[in-house]
Amino acid sequence: EVQLVESGGGLIQPGGSLRLSCAASGFTVSSNYMSWVRQAPGKGLEWVSVIYSGGSTYYADSVKGRFTISRDNSKNTLYLQMNSLRAEDTAVYYCARANYGWENAFDIWGQGTMVTVSS
Amino acid sequence: SYVLTQPPSVSVAPGKTARITCGGNNIGSKSVHWYQQKPGQAPVLVIYYDSDRPSGIPERFSGSNSGNTATLTISRVEAGDEADYYCQVWDSSSDHHWVFGGGTKLTVL
Repeated sequence: EVQLVESGGGLIQPGGSLRLSCAASGFTVSSNYMSWVRQAPGKGLEWVSVIYSGGSTYYADSVKGRFTISRDNSKNTLYLQMNSLRAEDTAVYYCARANYGWENAFDIWGQGTMVTVSS
Repeated sequence: SYVLTQPPSVSVAPGKTARITCGGNNIGSKSVHWYQQKPGQAPVLVIYYDSDRPSGIPERFSGSNSGNTATLTISRVEAGDEADYYCQVWDSSSDHHWVFGGGTKLTVL
């Protein structure tokens, strides 16, 4: 079965760090374009970051310099290292696969993991 | 950066047709994707490439895209279609590679 399972969310103080994980099954992370998308409480979807199959990475301006996307091919897992966290980073974080054959539509989503940044 | 504009809400009676728009500068030149999100759940892709449906999505869901407006059309609306709907494009012309619209809440009366 093709699926994504996120973990690592929780309550963290402003300025702190957190690493999210996204374990994939049924397909190979390194052969696909993998992204993180977040959704603040009661708000819309916001693209956060992508790692292309070739290894290139890109970030939304709101997280550039603070977040780092990576992958572990041996574990077939995607990560998001989040540093210098702010209250406005509070959101549900989803990992998603961008289907490059479908003009990069997100065809597979994880269930999401909640990150709360608060003192 | 590229901006997508959706109406905050759309209401429709059961059995009728709902149309949700997504505006963007020359959006007709881009491929538009649509997602359905129900409360407490992850988004689900319902339309890709303007008008294609992934496996398992009912034929009642269709899409079109021309000029400055893309449209998601839901025919014979059912109570279970009540959800938030988001349009999205992939914009390689900027660092904001994936852009979402603000979302539209579909209410089934």
